[in-house]
Amino acid sequence: GENVEQHPSTLSVQEGDSAVIKCTYSDSASNYFPWYKQELGKRPQLIIDIRSNVGEKKDQRIAVTLNKTAKHFSLHITETQPEDSAVYFCAAGGGSYIPTFGRGTSLIVHP
Amino acid sequence: DTAVSQTPKYLVTQMGNDKSIKCEQNLGHDTMYWYKQDSKKFLKIMFSYNNKELIINETVPNRFSPKSPDKAHLNLHINSLELGDSAVYFCASSQGLPGLSYNEQFFGPGTRLTVL
Repeated sequence: GENVEQHPSTLSVQEGDSAVIKCTYSDSASNYFPWYKQELGKRPQLIIDIRSNVGEKKDQRIAVTLNKTAKHFSLHITETQPEDSAVYFCAAGGGSYIPTFGRGTSLIVHP
Repeated sequence: DTAVSQTPKYLVTQMGNDKSIKCEQNLGHDTMYWYKQDSKKFLKIMFSYNNKELIINETVPNRFSPKSPDKAHLNLHINSLELGDSAVYFCASSQGLPGLSYNEQFFGPGTRLTVL
């Protein structure tokens, strides 16, 4: 089955800095890589996703990159703001019936 | 309109009791899931149904029994509740079959279960 590793588990940055969260996956058949944001007490919600036929995708201050050869993908947040503080989950799916989540990164943005 | 809804939002109960959590989605999705999120925030998949058929059954105690009366509903019944069952349980849905065309999952608001 798929195995997704996510790092770091906690990331603390100053407002305005960039934040990078990295994930690796094991199943080369995985073809869909979403990122979910979970604010405190709320449900996880999709913020950006990428499919395996694309190497990079950007949406305003967030971007995701995918390296299929190395089996890793990353989330980049620029000009961080306090409202970016949340737990971020990467996931990998499409290669098996089990959509697999990383263990989450708690991002803290200090004003 | 609420896309994925769960009831109840909070559930506090004694050890040994039996309880149910209900989930409904109005997105017309084929696949529904149950996740358990522990205190360390790890999202662990428990079950998945596609068009009322069980497709994923992870290593979950058989005290947990999902039921899907139709593709818009996936309920979770838990027998003989234990302290370790305390967690937030999320229902989710997505279009398509995860193994073939995994797509965005839409999560419900969660049910916080506390077992005393």
